[in-house]
Amino acid sequence: KQEVTQIPAALSVPEGENLVLNCSFTDSAIYNLQWFRQDPGKGLTSLLLIQSSQREQTSGRLNASLDKSSGRSTLYIAASQPGDSATYLCAVTASPQGAQKLVFGQGTRLTINP
Amino acid sequence: GAVVSQHPSRVICKSGTSVKIECRSLDFQATTMFWYRQFPKKSLMLMATSNEGSKATYEQGVEKDKFLINHASLTLSTLTVTSAHPEDSSFYICSARWDGHLYEQYFGPGTRLTVT
Repeated sequence: KQEVTQIPAALSVPEGENLVLNCSFTDSAIYNLQWFRQDPGKGLTSLLLIQSSQREQTSGRLNASLDKSSGRSTLYIAASQPGDSATYLCAVTASPQGAQKLVFGQGTRLTINP
Repeated sequence: GAVVSQHPSRVICKSGTSVKIECRSLDFQATTMFWYRQFPKKSLMLMATSNEGSKATYEQGVEKDKFLINHASLTLSTLTVTSAHPEDSSFYICSARWDGHLYEQYFGPGTRLTVT
């Protein structure tokens, strides 16, 4: 059974710092991995999607890497801003066949202090 | 990008009543829709997967007679919580995707259900 773990559970940093969020998964046979952002009481916003054949994806100040063999992904946020404060979730899709279900980590609650 | 809406955003109902939540894909045809439940400060737990025109597939431990899912068209899925109890109070989120687009799921804004 696939399990996804995110470390740390919570992180608080001053504005302007670069930071890294970690995600690990137990079964390396994934099809893709997604990073999401969730604001309190809101739905999920997709940030980056990495296919299993890819090593990284970039969008603005965000960079996500994937090491499938070791079961790890990182989300790098450059020059953090207070507006980046949210919960960040990673999720993996097991296979292109079948239901393509997403398995989520518990999330990292990020607070950027002005 | 692809947009998914949910209605209502918040609902309060009394114990024993039923409540329906709608999930719509606004600018694409969703071959598959997913329903998730999220407890406070917890991650999302998949409840069921539905494909248009067929019965939903429920995850282990989810009561299919209590959480009725209908996916009657390629743009609409509904979740009906029947005979609601206070322990059904939660945040319900749907997602949708279409075949061929990297299997990326697009999420709705969620529905906060409170059962009194």
